[in-house]
Amino acid sequence: EPEVTQTPSHQVTQMGQEVILRCVPISNHLYFYWYRQILGQKVEFLVSFYNNEISEKSEIFDDQFSVERPDGSNFTLKIRSTKLEDSAMYFCASKARGGDLFYNEQFFGPGTRLTVL
Amino acid sequence: DQQVKQNSPSLSVQEGRISILNCDYTNSMFDYFLWYKKYPAEGPTFLISISSIKDKNEDGRFTVFLNKSAKHLSLHIVPSQPGDSAVYFCAASRNFNKFYFGSGTKLNVKP
Repeated sequence: EPEVTQTPSHQVTQMGQEVILRCVPISNHLYFYWYRQILGQKVEFLVSFYNNEISEKSEIFDDQFSVERPDGSNFTLKIRSTKLEDSAMYFCASKARGGDLFYNEQFFGPGTRLTVL
Repeated sequence: DQQVKQNSPSLSVQEGRISILNCDYTNSMFDYFLWYKKYPAEGPTFLISISSIKDKNEDGRFTVFLNKSAKHLSLHIVPSQPGDSAVYFCAASRNFNKFYFGSGTKLNVKP
């Protein structure tokens, strides 16, 4: 069964450093998302991406964040200068189709745990 | 940003009985609602969804009910099984681009 994969599973970085979290969505999917979950808190939407551009982003997704689909298979989230409060699980998700009321399942990856020291 | 709320952090149910997980939302523009199940160290897994044009959707042991006037949805699991023990998140969306998640309810089904 196709699945979303994410690497690395755990990333430890120093505050102020740049990190890139990588995701390989399901191959025929067209819509891509990043979410994060700070320990003990809710899953928070960060950004959605379609047709090589950002469709929607949350207030969390400030200028320190960027997303890219560099080669048609990977979908990356970059944090330019990490802060302590960026420590969280980051989930990538992908979806096959657009505004379809009857089929809109997002498939999530297993997550990358980011620890900022 | 509390547009989707799950007010019960945990729920404990005996195997074979019904589990009812609740979710409230504030934005009347939401038109699509989903339930996800999450095990520790894994990403959320889609469980069941409902659009705002319906008030009930059923899939096997799982039924989601939507009460638009009350801005409330619930997930019923019957009969509950020990393997259902997980954290359940409800999520809501408008136009399918941005999804808001609740804080989750940890369900424990006791054998």
